[in-house]
Amino acid sequence: EAGVVQSPRYKIIEKKQPVAFWCNPISGHNTLYWYLQNLGQGPELLIRYENEEAVDDSQLPKDRFSAERLKGVDSTLKIQPAELGDSAVYLCASSLGPGQGINTGELFFGEGSRLTVL
Amino acid sequence: TQLLEQSPQFLSIQEGENLTVYCNSSSVFSSLQWYRQEPGEGPVLLVTVVTGGEVKKLKRLTFQFGDARKDSSLHITAAQPGDTGLYLCAGNQDNFNKFYFGSGTKLNVKP
Repeated sequence: EAGVVQSPRYKIIEKKQPVAFWCNPISGHNTLYWYLQNLGQGPELLIRYENEEAVDDSQLPKDRFSAERLKGVDSTLKIQPAELGDSAVYLCASSLGPGQGINTGELFFGEGSRLTVL
Repeated sequence: TQLLEQSPQFLSIQEGENLTVYCNSSSVFSSLQWYRQEPGEGPVLLVTVVTGGEVKKLKRLTFQFGDARKDSSLHITAAQPGDTGLYLCAGNQDNFNKFYFGSGTKLNVKP
């Protein structure tokens, strides 16, 4: 069974340019997360979806970040315009959602998209 | 400000040594998880602890959840180079779908 798939793995852009990241979660997982991880630090939640609904986006900088999960499956995270401080790894994770049988709470992560803003 | 603080931040030891990593908070968690992350990869779940005082063992790794469910520890016996990585604790307060990650402990085990 395929795991969480993210693309691109690496992206280098100049500041003020837009960038988008894509995530395909594990088939059947209703809950999808986007995390930001700085080097050597723990992941910080940006947004959490239950199906197509964003149920927690309190940490998403909405002036420049946006996300969507239109059909409740794959998701896109966009930054426009990017700033130097946005350089980080953007991790996508998925898990079983409420009502999806026995939920152990395990998060399954993709390999991440490493963004470098010059 | 991180809800969960891990210590130490960095740890470099020789193969065969024992070590303990701590995860502390002033908040109570309904469950706590430990993940291990290798460079260029996403974190992978090691264990979930749910009950205060619970102890779980996974081969050479021993995990403990504090009685008050505010802290946890990870003890590795006879560390091996393959244990090298970033160890992350993650606490859940409301339900199984909202996690707060700790600041991480970067472990390097030298052969």
